[in-house]
Amino acid sequence: GAVVSQHPSRVICKSGTSVKIECRSLDFQATTMFWYRQFPKQSLMLMATSNEGSKATYEQGVEKDKFLINHASLTLSTLTVTSAHPEDSSFYICSALGSGISNQPQHFGDGTRLSIL
Amino acid sequence: SQQGEEDPQALSIQEGENATMNCSYKTSINNLQWYRQNSGRGLVHLILIRSNEREKHSGRLRVTLDTSKKSSSLLITASRAADTASYFCATERSGGYNKLIFGAGTRLAVHP
Repeated sequence: GAVVSQHPSRVICKSGTSVKIECRSLDFQATTMFWYRQFPKQSLMLMATSNEGSKATYEQGVEKDKFLINHASLTLSTLTVTSAHPEDSSFYICSALGSGISNQPQHFGDGTRLSIL
Repeated sequence: SQQGEEDPQALSIQEGENATMNCSYKTSINNLQWYRQNSGRGLVHLILIRSNEREKHSGRLRVTLDTSKKSSSLLITASRAADTASYFCATERSGGYNKLIFGAGTRLAVHP
């Protein structure tokens, strides 16, 4: 149980393109989803917290107009990297938490490797 | 800093040996979690230890937590080549709305 699907797994696109990444909880309802960014051989940096039906909460230094997050249902959150540039190239990972449960692990997707040419 | 610290940064051992990884953090926590990441993949949850627990086991994994020292350790016994991965500790802060702060990670290589 507790499967999180992230799509696509890999994107290569030209500079200026907007890219949408989907994160779905397949067998549970997730009121909260998280979006992380990971540079090669580094740790995960939290970008934003996505709550179903409300605006996302962004971490300090993360541009909310650059990284648009939508959490329209209890099983789907999307991250859109708008007008992507080479410096946005990275590994993006989502995670999800079941609703109303404390002291539970986050369930992670398999990540999306974004390469901007 | 958003991150805690882990040591060693990299660990290379032979199959059958034990591997110990350490993690330190800075704030009061609800729990501390260990995750594993294979290259280019997402994270897999290994163990969650609550702030009022001192030790937890799961198969070949043993996790300890010392809240007075703000530190934790992960021990993998009788390692296998398939254990090769990066291991991250992550802390959920008290009143932290379930947000996790990740350590820098330890890259473990287990050689056959």
